[in-house]
Amino acid sequence: GQQVMQIPQYQHVQEGEDFTTYCNSSTTLSNIQWYKQRPGGHPVFLIQLVKSGEVKKQKRLTFQFGEAKKNSSLHITATQTTDVGTYFCAGPNFGNEKLTFGTGTRLTIIP
Amino acid sequence: EAGVVQSPRYKIIEKKQPVAFWCNPISGHNTLYWYRQNLGQGPELLIRYENEEAVDDSQLPKDRFSAERLKGVDSTLKIQPAELGDSAVYLCASSLAGVGTEAFFGQGTRLTVV
Repeated sequence: GQQVMQIPQYQHVQEGEDFTTYCNSSTTLSNIQWYKQRPGGHPVFLIQLVKSGEVKKQKRLTFQFGEAKKNSSLHITATQTTDVGTYFCAGPNFGNEKLTFGTGTRLTIIP
Repeated sequence: EAGVVQSPRYKIIEKKQPVAFWCNPISGHNTLYWYRQNLGQGPELLIRYENEEAVDDSQLPKDRFSAERLKGVDSTLKIQPAELGDSAVYLCASSLAGVGTEAFFGQGTRLTVV
């Protein structure tokens, strides 16, 4: 079945440093969504990318969808303590409308 | 507008006992999901509804889990009997129309089976 892996599993950064998480799917995705889950909270939608090679920005966050629509990345510039949480990518593959979540990257910030 | 509402927030039961979770999605959302999330892992889909029809229940352990979404609005997920390995957070989510639209999650029900 479809597998969605993320690396790294954990990332500890000093406040102000950049952070990147990578998402790789075993199958081609029709779209990719990113969610953030704060400790003890529930996943909250951040963004959706649909087009091959698409890049979207939200303030300090930059999201990219790969050309082959099998991978994606999330980059955070100059991290802040409010960025703490686990970042999940999620995507359905073509022909299977199942929203599969990645393994997640847990970000912690060292003040 | 209220988000996705789940109850209860926490539940502790002994193994072999039954348990039920309730979810009320955002008004007008046709798609409803039940996910299970184990500690330190991503949510795993159990079942997806389009209106009142279960269109994907391939990951639902049907020997002990059941779900229903009568009238295509709120939904219940039941486990009977519960096993120790069922301890997890059960998340309900809804979206306007299928996996091409963002999913809104409820706060979840944290189940502990002892």
